[in-house]
Amino acid sequence: QKEVEQNSGPLSVPEGAIASLNCTYSDRGSQSFFWYRQYSGKSPELIMSIYSNGDKEDGRFTAQLNKASQYVSLLIRDSQPSDSATYLCAVNGGMRNTGNQFYFGTGTSLTVIP
Amino acid sequence: SAVISQKPSRDICQRGTSLTIQCQVDSQVTMMFWYRQQPGQSLTLIATANQGSEATYESGFVIDKFPISRPNLTFSTLTVSNMSPEDSSIYLCSVDANTDTQYFGPGTRLTVL
Repeated sequence: QKEVEQNSGPLSVPEGAIASLNCTYSDRGSQSFFWYRQYSGKSPELIMSIYSNGDKEDGRFTAQLNKASQYVSLLIRDSQPSDSATYLCAVNGGMRNTGNQFYFGTGTSLTVIP
Repeated sequence: SAVISQKPSRDICQRGTSLTIQCQVDSQVTMMFWYRQQPGQSLTLIATANQGSEATYESGFVIDKFPISRPNLTFSTLTVSNMSPEDSSIYLCSVDANTDTQYFGPGTRLTVL
């Protein structure tokens, strides 16, 4: 059973602070990792992908990957109230005959307090 | 990325009826996926739809309950059959856009009374 685990939260941070979201996965062979943001009542929106160990930065977002520890995180700098959403961690478990198999965590609810 | 639309965006249905959800993509894609997201839960994959072949269903989902069509490379439908209140959920289609990244449609919010 391939699993992706996240703290469900809720995580609350004040506006302007750094929000740190964490995710662990069980399949050591996984190669691709993704963070999706999902606003209430909306569908998931891809915000970051990461494939190599280390950090990947995109604006206020930084994804961090440590394959040895099977750990991926998302940092949101200068958090804004508009960042309040549920963040889903996803792991690509590789190709099977039906395409890439994605495994999703249960999501972490983030609230940024003005 | 791909632009994905779904119809209807929401519906309220009576127990025992069926609803067909449409998913349209603006480019040709190999695989389309159907997910369910129940309130407060994460995404559960229902099935994978490949053009020209029968859909592949995940454990716990069967074709009689969730028949899927995939007539071409830009379109798919999911039918929720003989609905019960337990089928109330958001249904999402996604595509992999020939990369290893999945993009989601806006979803269909279904309420079964």
